Amino acid sequence: NAGVTQTPKFRVLKTGQSMTLLCAQDMNHEYMYWYRQDPGMGLRLIHYSVGEGTTAKGEVPDGYNVSRLKKQNFLLGLESAAPSQTSVYFCASSYGREAKNIQYFGAGTRLSVL
Amino acid sequence: GESVGLHLPTLSVQEGDNSIINCAYSNSASDYFIWYKQESGKGPQFIIDIRSNMDKRQGQRVTVLLNKTVKHLSLQIAATQPGDSAVYFCAETFTGANSKLTFGKGITLSVRP
Repeated sequence: NAGVTQTPKFRVLKTGQSMTLLCAQDMNHEYMYWYRQDPGMGLRLIHYSVGEGTTAKGEVPDGYNVSRLKKQNFLLGLESAAPSQTSVYFCASSYGREAKNIQYFGAGTRLSVL
Repeated sequence: GESVGLHLPTLSVQEGDNSIINCAYSNSASDYFIWYKQESGKGPQFIIDIRSNMDKRQGQRVTVLLNKTVKHLSLQIAATQPGDSAVYFCAETFTGANSKLTFGKGITLSVRP
């Protein structure tokens, strides 16, 4: 049972470089999310998607873009990486919009921007 | 603004003892709460949830208590084991089309052998 899979697991970038983080889920979930986790802070929502072809901004969207071309995939892009984007990134998915909104998380991508 | 917070950043308990992890929330509209466990190097994992129409819910070795009067949530772990060592997050949300989870900052549970 794969659940939510994130690639890559680790990445080091130089300031100004770009990259895409891939998230894939095999649970047929409608909703998908991207979070960042920084030391001493909780998970902060970057962007989310309520279905294929839709995306929306979360709490900290600046500097990131996302795409949901297929229901099972949610991509997070950094166009021009900055040291402030050094963080651990988590993707999550959930069944739908009901109050019982249990989110299932991937193992994370640790990103360092030098 | 609305927030979910935890009272203590770390908790150290003896193996075999019971653990109690507390969480305060401030959004009175929240009606659904979740506890997550995050082990080192892994993503958060769902532990247990509770709706606002309940004040207690039990799982395997874990119990969540909800006190809506004082906006307080707690997670009780019975007979704490070394494998329970992790960071625990509470999260809140409310019924609605655009509802999203708001996470607390997390508390580290350390189990002493």
